[in-house]
Amino acid sequence: KNEVEQSPQNLTAQEGEFITINCSYSVGISALHWLQQHPGGGIVSLFMLSSGKKKHGRLIATINIQEKHSSLHITASHPRDSAVYICAVGSQTSGSRLTFGEGTQLTVNP
Amino acid sequence: DTEVTQTPKHLVMGMTNKKSLKCEQHMGHRAMYWYKQKAKKPPELMFVYSYEKLSINESVPSRFSPECPNSSLLNLHLHALQPEDSALYLCASSQDPAGSQFEKLFFGSGTQLSVL
Repeated sequence: KNEVEQSPQNLTAQEGEFITINCSYSVGISALHWLQQHPGGGIVSLFMLSSGKKKHGRLIATINIQEKHSSLHITASHPRDSAVYICAVGSQTSGSRLTFGEGTQLTVNP
Repeated sequence: DTEVTQTPKHLVMGMTNKKSLKCEQHMGHRAMYWYKQKAKKPPELMFVYSYEKLSINESVPSRFSPECPNSSLLNLHLHALQPEDSALYLCASSQDPAGSQFEKLFFGSGTQLSVL
């Protein structure tokens, strides 16, 4: 069992739909990162969370430390949101070594 | 300037070639990273430089040789690579190595490497 599991692996949505991507982890963490990777490689850091909830534009990230679970929500999805979304966790003991999930491929159709 | 710039964007090399990948950031970040990413897989950490000193080497083969000439530059020297080394090589940086698990990572767009 991977230390960081994402679901779903693949997600197809219609433009305008509300999207949720989930991340569960089995280790004690200090921080959880949500990353976005578009085709062609570049990775963008969307959020870094250690508790609660963060919002940026149409993106919302939540984390429940007790349940070891985080969600990334996209409201009013758009084709430009099509990308791979990756959850990664860090801990005091791992320092710079983030543990990555396998990613969720999101496709938003017009 | 919040960019991490990587060059070249694409590189094709033979197994006997020597080449270098370059990464540059001007955000004053003191931690810089090399990751390797195979298709449809998450990035794998290769090296971490903290205050221009190598702090983590994830048992990477010696045919990959990192170098941090100054706080803004990170190089990855390649020699005698194998076809299985073909991958996307990503550079990243973060502000403070001491609390790096809390630091936002800034990634470059990567170098797509093909070894023939």
